[in-house]
Amino acid sequence: QVQLVESGGGVVQPGRSLRLSCAASEFTFSTSVMHWVRQAPGKGLEWVAVMPSDGPNKYYADSVKGRFTISRDTSKNTLYLQMNSLRVDDTAVYYCAREGTGIHALDIWGQGTLVTVS
Amino acid sequence: DVLMTQSPLSLPVTPGEPASISCRSNESLLFSNGNNYLDWYVQKPGQSPQLLIYLGSNRASGVPDRFSGSGSGTDFTLKISRVEAEDVGVYYCMQAVRALITFGQGTRLEIK
Repeated sequence: QVQLVESGGGVVQPGRSLRLSCAASEFTFSTSVMHWVRQAPGKGLEWVAVMPSDGPNKYYADSVKGRFTISRDTSKNTLYLQMNSLRVDDTAVYYCAREGTGIHALDIWGQGTLVTVS
Repeated sequence: DVLMTQSPLSLPVTPGEPASISCRSNESLLFSNGNNYLDWYVQKPGQSPQLLIYLGSNRASGVPDRFSGSGSGTDFTLKISRVEAEDVGVYYCMQAVRALITFGQGTRLEIK
């Protein structure tokens, strides 16, 4: 079925890097707008970044701009989030999500992967 | 950034009774095409968020018709006509009118 599966989370020291992956299946990944959203422990949802289906216009939350990079490999149906210069307050469950075509809403979410910066 | 403010933040409800959550933005979410770029999500305990309502008032696939969304511009409401035990969770509004998406703080619905 249509699904997203994140991986790559773990425990990392402040200042280090980590790359998250999100594998997509059973939908046309190459034409989908994709997002990363995170949730710190016990907190609400925070949007992180968006990857357009085409073109260069990636956008980032101010809290991660200049440190995180979103990218995709359409040959592998995989979305990535490269996280550099990690900080303690980046600790969160990171979700990837698909933006449904024409609805400007996140209609498919992964199960999330936990990143702990400590 | 667009600031999204939800109220109440906690909502105890008796099963079978209605419930309502307000979401306000500090700028209009009405796009030039006539759509309001406002969505509602629920995160049930231990689960990922799931889409309930998109473009202000459209139920996502599989969402029961006891859920409805309304509003335009800066004021929006999510209503549950008759709350059921399975509706427990945290409800979030989200704006997508700007490239930098923002969520409301979340409203925790609990069963009395």
